[in-house]
Amino acid sequence: GQNIDQPTEMTATEGAIVQINCTYQTSGFNGLFWYQQHAGEAPTFLSYNVLDGLEEKGRFSSFLSRSKGYSYLLLKELQMKDSASYLCAVPHPSGGSYIPTFGRGTSLIVHP
Amino acid sequence: DTGVSQDPRHKITKRGQNVTFRCDPISEHNRLYWYRQTLGQGPEFLTYFQNEAQLEKSRLLSDRFSAERPKGSFSTLEIQRTEQGDSAMYLCASSLGQGINQPQHFGDGTRLSIL
Repeated sequence: GQNIDQPTEMTATEGAIVQINCTYQTSGFNGLFWYQQHAGEAPTFLSYNVLDGLEEKGRFSSFLSRSKGYSYLLLKELQMKDSASYLCAVPHPSGGSYIPTFGRGTSLIVHP
Repeated sequence: DTGVSQDPRHKITKRGQNVTFRCDPISEHNRLYWYRQTLGQGPEFLTYFQNEAQLEKSRLLSDRFSAERPKGSFSTLEIQRTEQGDSAMYLCASSLGQGINQPQHFGDGTRLSIL
C-alpha cells in the first residue's frame, strides 16, 4: 500500500519562494504526481516525476528522490492566486491501470 | 475538449434517502474514476472503470454505493439509504490510455450534504 505525508498548512509572502514537501512509502514505485486544487474547485494536474531530479515548468518545479521516498514542489515568484491546496499522489497498480493515492494536501496561503 | 462535467453541483437530502450523481468524462477518455473528498483531506479513491468495465472498488465503497458506466461514456454513482457520514464532495476524473503518467482530469464535483 501507500503512505503519503505532507504538511497540513504553509504560509508565504507574495513574490517569495516556497517548497512543499511530500514523503511516501510504497511497495512499488510508479512515479509521483502533484496537483493543485483551489477551494471549491477540481484538482488540476501540475507535474509527474518518475526519475530522480528536478523538473522545471515555469514558476513551478518538482523534485524527486526515489531512494529517500521524497518529493517537493517548488513555487517561485509567488502570486496571490497560488493560494490553494497542493496534493501529492502516488499511483498503485490495479486492474491493468495505475490509480493515484492522494495525500491529504498542503494548504498554501499567500499573503501580501 | 469541454472537460469533465458533474451533475448536480450540490445535493442536499435527508438521511435515509437515495441519491444519484452523474459524471460526463472527456469524450475520448476510456478511464473514469470516482473519488470522495472531505474538508482538509485529499481525494479518496472509490471506484474505477475502463470503458464499461468496473475494474476496482475500494473497501470504502460499502454495499450502499453502486456505480455504473453502461455504455463506456457517462457514469452514475448511487448512494442508497444515505447516512450523515456520506456528506462529502464526490469527484469524478477521467484519463486517456494505459500509461502510468497519464494525468487525471477532474470535474468540479458534487457536494452532498445529509441533513
